[in-house]
Amino acid sequence: SQKIEQNSEALNIQEGKTATLTCNYTNYSPAYLQWYRQDPGRGPVFLLLIRENEKEKRKERLKVTFDTTLKQSLFHITASQPADSATYLCALETSGTYKYIFGTGTRLKVLA
Amino acid sequence: DTGVSQDPRHKITKRGQNVTFRCDPISEHNRLYWYRQTLGQGPEFLTYFQNEAQLEKSRLLSDRFSAERPKGSFSTLEIQRTEQGDSAMYLCASTRTLQETQYFGPGTRLLVL
Repeated sequence: SQKIEQNSEALNIQEGKTATLTCNYTNYSPAYLQWYRQDPGRGPVFLLLIRENEKEKRKERLKVTFDTTLKQSLFHITASQPADSATYLCALETSGTYKYIFGTGTRLKVLA
Repeated sequence: DTGVSQDPRHKITKRGQNVTFRCDPISEHNRLYWYRQTLGQGPEFLTYFQNEAQLEKSRLLSDRFSAERPKGSFSTLEIQRTEQGDSAMYLCASTRTLQETQYFGPGTRLLVL
């Protein structure tokens, strides 16, 4: 069955550094992959989508890469700020079904 | 665009009781999703609707769970004979055909005592 893995351990980094989060998937070839941000007690908020034919996507301080050979996506936040502290989720759509599978999320804490 | 809303935001109930949650999607969105999320986990797919039709239901969903979207607008999720294991955050999301982004509501946090 399809499976998505994200680092379950929290990631602590110093303000101003680049945070890199990993999303690995198995038994699947998605047409695209999404990243969401979730704050405690709130619903996820969409950040970025990257398609299988795109190697990299950027939005302000965010960058996502997608390696379909490695079955991996990396999510980078440059010049991180304490306000970036949250849980970051990756999600895939099971092809053609409009049904989404989410990873467990990685909790990021940016230390001032 | 007022966003996705859910009601109630919090619900405490005793084991064995029935509960019903409501989701109001963004008005022009024809797809509506329900997810369940427990602490430290990502959202887990429960079911989704396209307009009023329920197109898929998770095999993990027991017969105690039922969802409706009678007029293709708001949706309700009912849990009958609640169990302590049903304690979780129930999230609703909406989107429209050909749009991949989902817009999530704030969730309903259920605690079954």
